[in-house]
Amino acid sequence: EIELTQSPGTLSLSPGERATLSCRASQGVDSNFLAWYQQKLGQAPRLLVYGASTRATGIPDRFSGSGSGTDFTLTISRLEPEDFAVYYCHHYGTSPPYPFGQGTKLEIK
Amino acid sequence: QVQLQQSGPGLVKPSQTLSLTCAISGDSVSSNNVAWYWIRQSPSRGLEWLGRTYYMSTWGHDYAESVKSRITVNPDTSKNQFSLHLTSVSPEDTAVYYCARGIYERGATRFDFWGQGTRVTVSS
Repeated sequence: EIELTQSPGTLSLSPGERATLSCRASQGVDSNFLAWYQQKLGQAPRLLVYGASTRATGIPDRFSGSGSGTDFTLTISRLEPEDFAVYYCHHYGTSPPYPFGQGTKLEIK
Repeated sequence: QVQLQQSGPGLVKPSQTLSLTCAISGDSVSSNNVAWYWIRQSPSRGLEWLGRTYYMSTWGHDYAESVKSRITVNPDTSKNQFSLHLTSVSPEDTAVYYCARGIYERGATRFDFWGQGTRVTVSS
């Protein structure tokens, strides 16, 4: 069973800065079935990236995903005030159990 | 645009059954290229997939090992919705419960639309 470990746990940055979030899998992720979600307080997660690097519909191009195998990255090129939230990676493979990472909290410095 | 509207009680007594419903608009519970999921979120367990139902010529279901003996996810084609039933609940089942649509991509489903979430507390 694949486990996902995200780092850092908390990232403190200022608007306009670049954010780099990491997700490491305990074993290789098949076919790059790796997604990233954004969750704001009191809301459901929102799909940002799937297939490791494909932006979901309506997601601004300042969000980009990269990586393969066991190491994946979500980059936010220039932080906007609305980007401060919790981010989760997720392995949505072809069979259960579809694990999530524990999350990275992106907070305003 | 797909919308998922959850309903159900926010308080359940220990040993009783937790029941939630997710009404679908903008898609069909019987669509062939999607699956319908229940996911929960708690501080102790994080985001946890619980179960799913899907239609591929016949109805299929998958359940997480952690709840397999207690969970049922059922479609209701007449109302275009699906439900979650979790029996014999304990305080450890206290969480925010979400329904979500999974859309197929080369045999895997990513969760592209989510319900608004239902905070369920298990307490007497």
